[in-house]
Amino acid sequence: GENVEQHPSTLSVQEGDSAVIKCTYSDSASNYFPWYKQELGKGPQLIIDIRSNVGEKKDQRIAVTLNKTAKHFSLHITETQPEDSAVYFCAALYQKVTFGIGTKLQVIP
Amino acid sequence: NAGVTQTPKFRVLKTGQSMTLLCAQDMNHEYMYWYRQDPGMGLRLIHYSVGEGTTAKGEVPDGYNVSRLKKQNFLLGLESAAPSQTSVYFCASGGTHNTEAFFGQGTRLTVV
Repeated sequence: GENVEQHPSTLSVQEGDSAVIKCTYSDSASNYFPWYKQELGKGPQLIIDIRSNVGEKKDQRIAVTLNKTAKHFSLHITETQPEDSAVYFCAALYQKVTFGIGTKLQVIP
Repeated sequence: NAGVTQTPKFRVLKTGQSMTLLCAQDMNHEYMYWYRQDPGMGLRLIHYSVGEGTTAKGEVPDGYNVSRLKKQNFLLGLESAAPSQTSVYFCASGGTHNTEAFFGQGTRLTVV
């Protein structure tokens, strides 16, 4: 089955700096890669996703890149703000979705 | 605009007791999922359903059963709770298997 590895497990950045979270996947058939943000005490919420026919997607301060050859994808958050502090999960999907273990991002004011 | 609603939000069970977690969605989604979330292990799929009357096993199905008698509801049952089932459980729904999944607020279950 699919295996998704996510790094780092924790990340602290100064407000205004950029944050990068990286994931690798094992199943070359995976074709959908969503990113979820989970705030304390809440369920995960989709923030951005990318499909295998696209190399990069951007939505305001958030961008995701996908390298199908290397089987890795990354989340980039620019100009970080304190409200970006949360746990971020990557996921890969072919027939079923597999999540990474999560990255706890702390943005220091 | 409720989205995905889970009941209950918190529960403490004794080992060997049974309980059912209810998930309800009002978005007319075909797909519904049950996950458990444990520290350092992310979200792991327990069971899922691709439509009313259907269920399938996920990554960690042992000790759990599910039913999808109505399209809007997905029930997760624990027949004989064990301390290893202490976790936060999330239900999610989606229109198809490769589109956004909408999550509920979670159920924190403690088995003592």
